[in-house]
This record gives sequence, C-alpha cells and structure tokens, in this order.
Amino acid sequence: AQSVSQHNHHVILSEAASLELGCNYSYGGTVNLFWYVQYPGQHLQLLLKYFSGDPLVKGIKGFEAEFIKSKFSFNLRKPSVQWSDTAEYFCAVMNQAGTALIFGKGTTLSVSS
Amino acid sequence: EPEVTQTPSHQVTQMGQEVILRCVPISNHLYFYWYRQILGQKVEFLVSFYNNEISEKSEIFDDQFSVERPDGSNFTLKIRSTKLEDSAMYFCASSEREGYYEQYFGPGTRLTVT
Repeated sequence: AQSVSQHNHHVILSEAASLELGCNYSYGGTVNLFWYVQYPGQHLQLLLKYFSGDPLVKGIKGFEAEFIKSKFSFNLRKPSVQWSDTAEYFCAVMNQAGTALIFGKGTTLSVSS
Repeated sequence: EPEVTQTPSHQVTQMGQEVILRCVPISNHLYFYWYRQILGQKVEFLVSFYNNEISEKSEIFDDQFSVERPDGSNFTLKIRSTKLEDSAMYFCASSEREGYYEQYFGPGTRLTVT
C-alpha cells in the first residue's frame, strides 16, 4: 500500500530563515503529489501539486517543492519564512485509483518574529 | 471564493449514540470525500462518493458508517453507534472531477465520544 512519511514532526524557525520540510512516498510508479497547509483554526488548503513535467513546482505564498523520483521525495521549500507561515503542513499522494489522498503525519512549523 | 462548509464544528456524544456530520460541498463539484484525523495521527481517507454511490472506501469505513447526499447540496456522514475510538476531527472534501484534481477541504467537525 502507498504511504507517505514526513520526517520532521515540529520545526521551529526564526523569521527570514530558510525552510525545507521532508516528504517521502512509498510507491514507485506514476505519482501525483500534494502539499497542503492548515493555518491555525482554518481548513486544509492546497499549497502546490505535482502531476507531471517540471519536477520543480511552484505554489502559493512563495513555496516550492521538488520531485526527485530516484529518492521518492517531494520536499517543500521556502527561502525565507514569515511569522504568518506558522501552520501545520501535510504532504499527500493520490492513490493509484485517483480516488483518495494518502497523507503524511504532518509537520508543525512555528515561526518566531 | 467558494468554500466547503461543515456543521457542527464540535459534536460531543455518548458511546453508542448515532451522529450525523454534515457538509455542504462546493456547488459545481461532483466528487465528495470524508477523511478523519485522530489527535496526533495522520489524516486518513474514509470514503469517496460520486453519482449517489460510494466509489471507494477504506478499511476504517465499516458497517457503522454510511454516507448520503440527501438533497442537492448536503453530504452527510453517519456513524450508527459511536465508539470511543471514533473521537477525531472529520473533514469533508469535494472536487470538480476525480483523480488528479484538487480536493477542497472543509474546516472539520471535532467529534468527541464520551
């Protein structure tokens, strides 16, 4: 069965620091990958997604992610975080049937000003 | 911007009671989903629904669970006889199409079973 691992449970950064959150998936075939964010008290929102093509995907709010097939990874990056990026970040992969998202455990990002 | 809405935001119920969680998907979306997140654990898929039928369900979605689209706007999740381990945040989502399309999530309903 497909699975997603997020290595960092809680990341604490100062404003302007660079961010990289790790995500690894288990399936070796064609994958469709997503990063969702959940700001405090709000619903899950899509940050970015990868279906095919350029492995470097740009999303909203200055986030980007790189799909590295050989490493089964889809890490999320942002060059300079802001206090408003404090949130829970979830990596997800679409299942093979295209009917369900399989999520990682999530990473809590705390940014201090 | 259209949003998925869910009611109630928090539901407290006693073990063995039936609960119905309600969702209003985005109006032109055709595919609907329920997920849940037990505190401290990952978001887990429960069920997907299209054209008034379940298109896929997970192992979690046993006979105690059911889904329904009772009218043109609501999408409900019913738990027939709640257990303590059903305590979780339940998220509804909808998408325009199945597969590689964004799923839009609601804010969730926190279910507490005592």
